[in-house]
Amino acid sequence: DAKTTQPTSMDCAEGRAANLPCNHSTISGNEYVYWYRQIHSQGPQYIIHGLKNNETNEMASLIITEDRKSSTLILPHATLRDTAVYYCIVRATGTASKLTFGTGTRLQVTL
Amino acid sequence: DVKVTQSSRYLVKRTGEKVFLECVQDMDHENMFWYRQDPGLGLRLIYFSYDVKMKEKGDIPEGYSVSREKKERFSLILESASTNQTSMYLCASSLAGYEQYFGPGTRLTVT
Repeated sequence: DAKTTQPTSMDCAEGRAANLPCNHSTISGNEYVYWYRQIHSQGPQYIIHGLKNNETNEMASLIITEDRKSSTLILPHATLRDTAVYYCIVRATGTASKLTFGTGTRLQVTL
Repeated sequence: DVKVTQSSRYLVKRTGEKVFLECVQDMDHENMFWYRQDPGLGLRLIYFSYDVKMKEKGDIPEGYSVSREKKERFSLILESASTNQTSMYLCASSLAGYEQYFGPGTRLTVT
């Protein structure tokens, strides 16, 4: 699986959009971009994934650049409950492969 | 919603004890996984299973075994617990090749 690079930490004011970037310059054509988050002392939570088109669900939007070398997770209206570590993961689908979690981005949402 | 449950949130065991960690999922997923999470080391895969009675070693299987007798249940066994197995243990399940859903985790302390 390709390696990802994320900022160590970010702050966001409550009610504002949180934009979390991820670089994955060595991504292969059959690899998807997945986002998970982990709130303190809980198991990781799946957020969204995509291949090349932008994706949106009830939790977030995922914007993938045309060359697929980077992506941005957008939480449109961050709340205090969105404070968590966010992980960007690249993996091929169709396998029972492990998820390789890096160090992620610690997002702190403040009043 | 997918639900993955783990038998205990917190567990304290003595060195040398045999420890069973149970995981149950209710979504008829083929794949199930056991990870451990330690500060600075991220999540590391211990074992996974892609079908009943099937298992594959992950990155750190030493000191652990697993059992999958029914599709919904995946057990992690520490044959003789040691202090270096003190950790957060996370179970996950998925349909083949798709996103993984995690349980709440079991924080195991071996004294």
